[in-house]
Amino acid sequence: KQEVTQIPAALSVPEGENLVLNCSFTDSAIYNLQWFRQDPGKGLTSLLLIQSSQREQTSGRLNASLDKSSGRSTLYIAASQPGDSATYLCAVRNTPLVFGKGTRLSVIA
Amino acid sequence: DAGVIQSPRHEVTEMGQEVTLRCKPISGHDYLFWYRQTMMRGLELLIYFNNNVPIDDSGMPEDRFSAKMPNASFSTLKIQPSEPRDSAVYFCASTGAGGGSYEQYFGPGTRLTVT
Repeated sequence: KQEVTQIPAALSVPEGENLVLNCSFTDSAIYNLQWFRQDPGKGLTSLLLIQSSQREQTSGRLNASLDKSSGRSTLYIAASQPGDSATYLCAVRNTPLVFGKGTRLSVIA
Repeated sequence: DAGVIQSPRHEVTEMGQEVTLRCKPISGHDYLFWYRQTMMRGLELLIYFNNNVPIDDSGMPEDRFSAKMPNASFSTLKIQPSEPRDSAVYFCASTGAGGGSYEQYFGPGTRLTVT
């Protein structure tokens, strides 16, 4: 059974700092990996999708990497801003998606 | 496209009442998923459909929960009778094979409170 772990569970950083969120999964036979953002009381917004054949994806200040063989993904956020404060969830797709419990990020102005 | 649409956004009901949650997936998507989110357990998959057919309902907590997808543009999740422990946010999501990506899109959720 696929298990997804996200470390740390919570993170607080000063504005402007570069940061890395970690995601690990136990079964490397995945189709893709997706990073989501969830604001308090809101739904999930897809940030980046990495197919199993890809190593990384970039969108603006966000960069996500995937190492299938080691069962790891990282989400890199450059020059963090207070507006980045949210919970970030990683999900892997065997079929269907299996979610981690998320990392709650606070960026302090 | 308007994205995944869910209704109602908030539902407060008394224990023992029937609750029906509704979802309209993104047009053209052939997979639809129902999730439940709580602080304790995070996001849990309840059931998913492919081309309106239920594929895996192993996440449905018990017989009080049922889901249907009568056509490609509508699905319901029903709880009968409801219990306080059913209080959670229920999300619907859809995905399709466009470009082979299967990127999943979520609705805004229904916050259910059972008193």
